[in-house]
Amino acid sequence: ETGVTQTPRHLVMGMTNKKSLKCEQHLGHNAMYWYKQSAKKPLELMFVYSLEERVENNSVPSRFSPECPNSSHLFLHLHTLQPEDSALYLCASSQAPTGFGDTEAFFGQGTRLTVV
Amino acid sequence: GESVGLHLPTLSVQEGDNSIINCAYSNSASDYFIWYKQESGKGPQFIIDIRSNMDKRQGQRVTVLLNKTVKHLSLQIAATQPGDSAVYFCAEHQTGANNLFFGTGTRLTVIP
Repeated sequence: ETGVTQTPRHLVMGMTNKKSLKCEQHLGHNAMYWYKQSAKKPLELMFVYSLEERVENNSVPSRFSPECPNSSHLFLHLHTLQPEDSALYLCASSQAPTGFGDTEAFFGQGTRLTVV
Repeated sequence: GESVGLHLPTLSVQEGDNSIINCAYSNSASDYFIWYKQESGKGPQFIIDIRSNMDKRQGQRVTVLLNKTVKHLSLQIAATQPGDSAVYFCAEHQTGANNLFFGTGTRLTVIP
């Protein structure tokens, strides 16, 4: 248990569906991240929130929409996804988004998303 | 056994042997490095980190070595155990960046 909880663990959705992934961290961190993990590829950063403000959006298609209502919660809203969006979506948190000190990121277990 | 990192994504070692997993990076502005372990069905888990002003750091059964001259990072696991079987990622932080950059990972398989 890392202190970062993601729900659901598995999700199957059709291309016309709308769904949301949820992430909650109990570590008192001030930065949260969404990463996408596909087979045989490096972890791809999608979004970074620092103090509830989006500080990075890595050219992610608009069919992915993040939301960070407070420093403990992060959502990823999904709509009209494509089969190639099937992947493991990982949430992470850290105490500082930049620079020195403990920038170690703690990851959740991930949501395994399958788009059919 | 020894891996050359991204050019050899799998590494098999006998239980009890030492493992060495390698990682190369290209950015001179990288100031902080982390090794993560990811077991099947789980998220990446922190193993050990090192800052760019250090060249070696030791943990329990693990050692990270940093060679800034050739931009090379390695993870050494002593007396490898079956529970060490996983994918190992190196990640780097670059000065001024908001996030970590990850390698593709090396799959370590421990043979009983």
